[in-house]
Amino acid sequence: EPEVTQTPSHQVTQMGQEVILRCVPISNHLYFYWYRQILGQKVEFLVSFYNNEISEKSEIFDDQFSVERPDGSNFTLKIRSTKLEDSAMYFCASSLGQLANYGYTFGSGTRLTVV
Amino acid sequence: DAKTTQPNSMESNEEEPVHLPCNHSTISGTDYIHWYRQLPSQGPEYVIHGLTSNVNNRMASLAIAEDRKSSTLILHRATLRDAAVYYCILRDPGANSKLTFGKGITLSVRP
Repeated sequence: EPEVTQTPSHQVTQMGQEVILRCVPISNHLYFYWYRQILGQKVEFLVSFYNNEISEKSEIFDDQFSVERPDGSNFTLKIRSTKLEDSAMYFCASSLGQLANYGYTFGSGTRLTVV
Repeated sequence: DAKTTQPNSMESNEEEPVHLPCNHSTISGTDYIHWYRQLPSQGPEYVIHGLTSNVNNRMASLAIAEDRKSSTLILHRATLRDAAVYYCILRDPGANSKLTFGKGITLSVRP
């Protein structure tokens, strides 16, 4: 069964450093998403991406965050200057369509620890 | 997206059926009912979705009340691997309808 692949599985970084989280969505999917989950809390939407543009972003997705699809397969989330509160699991997801009758496929996540 | 209400937790025995309830009294006529689950230390996983009719797939069944104000996810034979947080999520049919997670219901499975 097709999978969404995320690398690395765990990233430790110092406060103020830039990090790039990588994702390979399912190849024929067109819509891409980033979510995060702080330990013990809900899974929160960050951003959706389609046709090389951001479709929607949440309040969490401020100027420190950016997304890119640099080639036909990768989808990246960059945090420019990490803060302690950015420590969380980050999940990438993809979907064949955007409408409500399509499901999302999530990756296993990247655990980001900011020290 | 309209809200859903789920119990905080539920326990079941291995190899027995499990019925996970979800109330969504403010559902609109066009909202889809989605279920996802999240196993420990994993990303969310799609389980099933439906609109009006009951749905079956290899993972589970979804029973939707006639008035659509509630639904039940049915795991026909629980295994230890089914222990997870299960999320009932409504999605409107609009073009920018994203998946919004609540707290979900934590299912424990006893051997």
